[in-house]
Amino acid sequence: SAVISQKPSRDICQRGTSLTIQCQVDSQVTMMFWYRQQPGQSLTLIATANQGSEATYESGFVIDKFPISRPNLTFSTLTVSNMSPEDSSIYLCSVEVSGNTIYFGEGSWLTVV
Amino acid sequence: RKEVEQDPGPFNVPEGATVAFNCTYSNSASQSFFWYRQDCRKEPKLLMSVYSSGNEDGRFTAQLNRASQYISLLIRDSKLSDSATYLCVVEKNYKLSFGAGTTVTVRA
Repeated sequence: SAVISQKPSRDICQRGTSLTIQCQVDSQVTMMFWYRQQPGQSLTLIATANQGSEATYESGFVIDKFPISRPNLTFSTLTVSNMSPEDSSIYLCSVEVSGNTIYFGEGSWLTVV
Repeated sequence: RKEVEQDPGPFNVPEGATVAFNCTYSNSASQSFFWYRQDCRKEPKLLMSVYSSGNEDGRFTAQLNRASQYISLLIRDSKLSDSATYLCVVEKNYKLSFGAGTTVTVRA
């Protein structure tokens, strides 16, 4: 398994501002992912964070809105830019461990007012 | 059509009962299958992987039917602590697709 720490755990932000979420893993992992879970919905993959190259974004998500960094094999950040109330969600960092098993961080609960 | 579809429930069952529910997936090339559990206001946590031959982990039994493209989860002797939302997850090329979850509430 892997221990994944996310910061902040929750925040209330003003619309139009940006927030950067950090994800730290206790071991080196190749695959790191960022998900969003809107209220009452299931998880949706935002992007795959690749070490040493640009993130790979899923349909409906763009780099300008959700820039991602992956400076090394244990750390990644997701920024939610120019926030609107529709961005209120849980943002989850996850990693792939051997055997195609995915583990999640505790999530960052974001409310945009 | 959603990639993964689940009966949202809720399934309200008494302690000790057996509860079972399914999930269907649309991509026949899906490679791996999982059940995750998500408690209220918590992150999803892996409950069990699902293998073609079916597998059991204590009171939990998972089945996979590739021909019909569905996965099932059965919980025997339900405990109060089993109350949660159960997410069906399908993986292809490291990309996970999540169902919206089935809510199970076990009552005393």
